Amino acid sequence: GAVVSQHPSRVICKSGTSVKIECRSLDFQATTMFWYRQFPKQSLMLMATSNEGSKATYEQGVEKDKFLINHASLTLSTLTVTSAHPEDSSFYICSARVPRGSGNYEQYFGPGTRLTVT
Amino acid sequence: ELKVEQNPLFLSMQEGKNYTIYCNYSTTSDRLYWYRQDPGKSLESLFVLLSNGAVKQEGRLMASLDTKARLSTLHITAAVHDLSATYFCAVYFGNEKLTFGTGTRLTIIP
Repeated sequence: GAVVSQHPSRVICKSGTSVKIECRSLDFQATTMFWYRQFPKQSLMLMATSNEGSKATYEQGVEKDKFLINHASLTLSTLTVTSAHPEDSSFYICSARVPRGSGNYEQYFGPGTRLTVT
Repeated sequence: ELKVEQNPLFLSMQEGKNYTIYCNYSTTSDRLYWYRQDPGKSLESLFVLLSNGAVKQEGRLMASLDTKARLSTLHITAAVHDLSATYFCAVYFGNEKLTFGTGTRLTIIP
C-alpha cells in the first residue's frame, strides 16, 4: 500500500520557538493532505486540509497564523507550529488522500509526530 | 452537527470471548472506515465499508455497515491479547472530510 512518512517522529522544543513537521507521500502523489491533532486518550481532530498549490483550509477554532501549512509539491506538506506553548504539546498526524474512483477515497496516515513543548 | 459516536468507550474482555463495538453517526453517509491504533502509534486501516449491508472480515474481526440505521459494528470473535488496541470508526460526510469516532479502548485480559 501507499506509504506516508513524517519527520521528525519526536521533537521537544522550548516555549516560544517554532517547529516544522514534514509529511511526505513516498510512492504516490497526493493533491490533498490532512493534518490531525490527537491529545492523549482522545480521538483525532482535523486541523486543516492542505491542497497542493493553494492555501490550506483550517477547521473552526484552529489558528491559521499559529499553525502554518504549506503544500508546495504533490508529495510534501509541512506544518509549522509557531511560537509553541506547552498546550500545543500533542501527537500530530498527517494523512494523504488518493481518489479511488466513483467518488471514493483512500486515506493513508503517517506515523505521527509527538511534539513536547517545555 | 456531524457526530460519530462509539460505544463502549472502554472495553475490557477476557481472551476467548466475543464482543461488539458499535459506531453511530449523525448524518447520511455510505463510506465508513475502521482503524486500529496501538499506543504511541499512528492508524492502521482495518476495513473500508462502502455500501449498505457491506460486511468484511479479517481474522477475528468482522465489520458491517447499515446505512439506514447509520450504524456500523466491529465484531470480535474469540479475542486474543494481540487485539488489545484502540479502535476508531471514521465516516466521510458530504464535506469530504473524514470525521473520527470517539474511539474504543479495548483491553484483552488473559
